[in-house]
Amino acid sequence: NAGVTQTPKFQVLKTGQSMTLQCAQDMNHEYMSWYRQDPGMGLRLIHYSVGAGITDQGEVPNGYNVSRSTTEDFPLRLLSAAPSQTSVYFCASRWGETQYFGPGTRLLVL
Amino acid sequence: LAKTTQPISMDSYEGQEVNITCSHNNIATNDYITWYQQFPSQGPRFIIQGYKTKVTNEVASLFIPADRKSSTLSLPRVSLSDTAVYYCLVGDSRGTALIFGKGTTLSVSS
Repeated sequence: NAGVTQTPKFQVLKTGQSMTLQCAQDMNHEYMSWYRQDPGMGLRLIHYSVGAGITDQGEVPNGYNVSRSTTEDFPLRLLSAAPSQTSVYFCASRWGETQYFGPGTRLLVL
Repeated sequence: LAKTTQPISMDSYEGQEVNITCSHNNIATNDYITWYQQFPSQGPRFIIQGYKTKVTNEVASLFIPADRKSSTLSLPRVSLSDTAVYYCLVGDSRGTALIFGKGTTLSVSS
């Protein structure tokens, strides 16, 4: 199993640009989530999904959209990037109470 | 959503036992307690999970008192490589979003 994979590893955007952060898992987990982590901070939940076709907002959903068309994929979309969205983004899938995290995507918005 | 409170930081020396306590006063009946470890530039990694009393695995022990309003992660004989941020989470398996706090930064010195 590859576990949870994320692409790209690093991205630079200009203010106002849009992009999609990709996340995929091959463990057939129903639950997936997106977190952001700012320097020196803990992880903050952006959006999560309890299964294909079902998504919900977390702590900091503004500026981000998600969809869950398949069990495997859970992309995160930034519609109009802002410097405040500069962060490291982690995707996770979950089995029971255990979450499995991807390696993260470092995003810099200029 | 159950909130957790942990010390911001702890210092230790190699070979010592480290105990990190987490408070979760509003833990629900179905909630489990899970601890994660995060190294710089990596996603969090599952350490241990429990519901009540004591759980032990190859890397740590988790002590949970009868009232379950707190828990203590015990790391025996820490080494330099145990320097990391440790997060305590509570949640259940019914799809509730798992919220991370700021965690405890453990620094191990020689």
